[in-house]
Amino acid sequence: DAKTTQPNSMESNEEEPVHLPCNHSTISGTDYIHWYRQLPSQGPEYVIHGLTSNVNNRMASLAIAEDRKSSTLILHRATLRDAAVYYCILRTQGGSEKLVFGKGTKLTVNP
Amino acid sequence: DTGVSQNPRHKITKRGQNVTFRCDPISEHNRLYWYRQTLGQGPEFLTYFQNEAQLEKSRLLSDRFSAERPKGSFSTLEIQRTEQGDSAMYLCASSLGDRGFGEQYFGPGTRLTVT
Repeated sequence: DAKTTQPNSMESNEEEPVHLPCNHSTISGTDYIHWYRQLPSQGPEYVIHGLTSNVNNRMASLAIAEDRKSSTLILHRATLRDAAVYYCILRTQGGSEKLVFGKGTKLTVNP
Repeated sequence: DTGVSQNPRHKITKRGQNVTFRCDPISEHNRLYWYRQTLGQGPEFLTYFQNEAQLEKSRLLSDRFSAERPKGSFSTLEIQRTEQGDSAMYLCASSLGDRGFGEQYFGPGTRLTVT
């Protein structure tokens, strides 16, 4: 399974943008970059995914480096409800169905 | 509520006892997954069903663990002769996998404590 590296923790203030980085230097051409987050005492939830181009949805934006060796999840205006552990996961098209979670980044949002 | 549901939410058992957990996926989802999560770690994949067929099993799934999904609907995960190391949160997820990636929708989990 392709490996990702994320900082253990990050801190942000409410209503400010948050940029959560992920390194995936061994990514292959058929690997999609997925982000999930896990709020306290809940199961993980899907946030966004992409292959090469930047992606936006109602929850977040995903910026993918041109060489695809890194990506950044962007929360445009953090709220207290965004405090969670954020996981960056690579999924291979046509590969295993399983999600391979690392330890993720614990995001703290200060009021 | 049409999300993934899991029962029970909490289970305390003594070492050596058998336990069974149930997962009800989102009704039209054909894929169902079990994961295990210990404190401070991300979830670890255990097994995956497409309809009633169990298609992938992790090496973490020892012979004390068995999972079923009769008729491709709900699923059960049984742990026989529980050990203290089995204490964890057991998460179920489901997805609609037709082509490409189906995002996985997770339930709230069953927290198992083995004393």
